[in-house]
Amino acid sequence: DTGVSQDPRHKITKRGQNVTFRCDPISEHNRLYWYRQTLGQGPEFLTYFQNEAQLEKSRLLSDRFSAERPKGSFSTLEIQRTEQGDSAMYLCASSSPGTGTYEQYFGPGTRLTVT
Amino acid sequence: AQKVTQAQTEISVVEKEDVTLDCVYETRDTTYYLFWYKQPPSGELVFLIRRNSFDEQNEISGRYSWNFQKSTSSFNFTITASQVVDSAVYFCALSEEGGNDMRFGAGTRLTVKP
Repeated sequence: DTGVSQDPRHKITKRGQNVTFRCDPISEHNRLYWYRQTLGQGPEFLTYFQNEAQLEKSRLLSDRFSAERPKGSFSTLEIQRTEQGDSAMYLCASSSPGTGTYEQYFGPGTRLTVT
Repeated sequence: AQKVTQAQTEISVVEKEDVTLDCVYETRDTTYYLFWYKQPPSGELVFLIRRNSFDEQNEISGRYSWNFQKSTSSFNFTITASQVVDSAVYFCALSEEGGNDMRFGAGTRLTVKP
């Protein structure tokens, strides 16, 4: 296991369609985070999981967004009824604070384009 | 509320010049963590350094050095003898006790010209 992986790397969808992204964290990391990054900005926190529990959600995470981490391993982020404003890079990160690893390690991201 | 300000939007230097990237933060917590990440053109964020709020000792790693000053709420990053491969967007970030959500600055785009 060499790092955080995300799939797909790119997604083009039409407005109104649903999309789902997957993130596989570093295997021994119990925390998993989702961020969104738009052009020229830093990543913005969306939500995070500790094991399978979703412990915090940002106000940025509207009702159309849902995230899961069913077995405490990989996570999915679904966006329903996509809007053009959802176009962004969606980043996943993982960490393991229990072992002192407070830094988050990021995946390559999924770039979403809503047309 | 936590906030990170990177006032320098873009910096351009010529190779071998030294360059300092500024980061100023705001937090009400006494325990917090500061980070620097590099985002090269390929897009993947690369972790560079973490600093605890209790540890104001400066750190040097090769050509990179970091200056943490609680008195001015700053965590600046210096690259010595810059190289073209240092060209990237650099982000400063802050997380409070518990290390949950990380608040990023807007980033500084560094261009190193040959």
